[in-house]
Amino acid sequence: DILITQSPSTLSASVGDRVNITCRASQNIDAWVAWYQQKPGRAPNLLIYQASNLPDGVPSRFGGSASGTEATLTISSLHPDDFATYFCQQYNSYPLTFGGGTKVEIK
Amino acid sequence: QGQLLQSGGEVKKPGASVKVSCEASGYSFSDYGIDWVRQAPGQGLEWMGWISIYNGNTKYAQKFQGRVTMTADTSTSTAYMELTSLTSDDTAVYYCARAYGSGSYYTLWGPGTLVTVSS
Repeated sequence: DILITQSPSTLSASVGDRVNITCRASQNIDAWVAWYQQKPGRAPNLLIYQASNLPDGVPSRFGGSASGTEATLTISSLHPDDFATYFCQQYNSYPLTFGGGTKVEIK
Repeated sequence: QGQLLQSGGEVKKPGASVKVSCEASGYSFSDYGIDWVRQAPGQGLEWMGWISIYNGNTKYAQKFQGRVTMTADTSTSTAYMELTSLTSDDTAVYYCARAYGSGSYYTLWGPGTLVTVSS
């Protein structure tokens, strides 16, 4: 199984800050990485797929990159609506696995 | 497009079984598979398995092999996930999700079903 270590687990930031969240995989996952945003009591929502692609409707302040065993989610300028928990997911191979999550809190 | 509607929350005793349903609408049910992902309280996401609606093929996470059964009824566009021999560790929100393709990322999620296992 591909184990994913996501960091940090919690991040305190202010509106307007640039934030980076990283996932490190135990094996090469190339660009087969997705990122989700989850708010309390809600299902996750797709933010990025194939490492750097944004689905329709996702704001351009969200960005992603990946290389080998590492993937990064970047929010270029935090908006009030962005305070939530973020998860990465690898779909390079079964079983599909997720990072442990990063909670972005208001500083 | 599309929507996934899940059955309501359940409270079960240890050793019991639970069957959660996921009704699809707004898209061609047979064109996609359905995955099941669970989330224990305050924890991360855990993939449980996948069913092909087209031919009924399944793939389960090793952890749940022998304890989980995923099925689908194309006449009602409903997928089911049954989990047996429940323990308190199975207390979680269970999501059904539609992937872009087999073994891929999820473009559509159900609202989740809370299953509580308690004596």
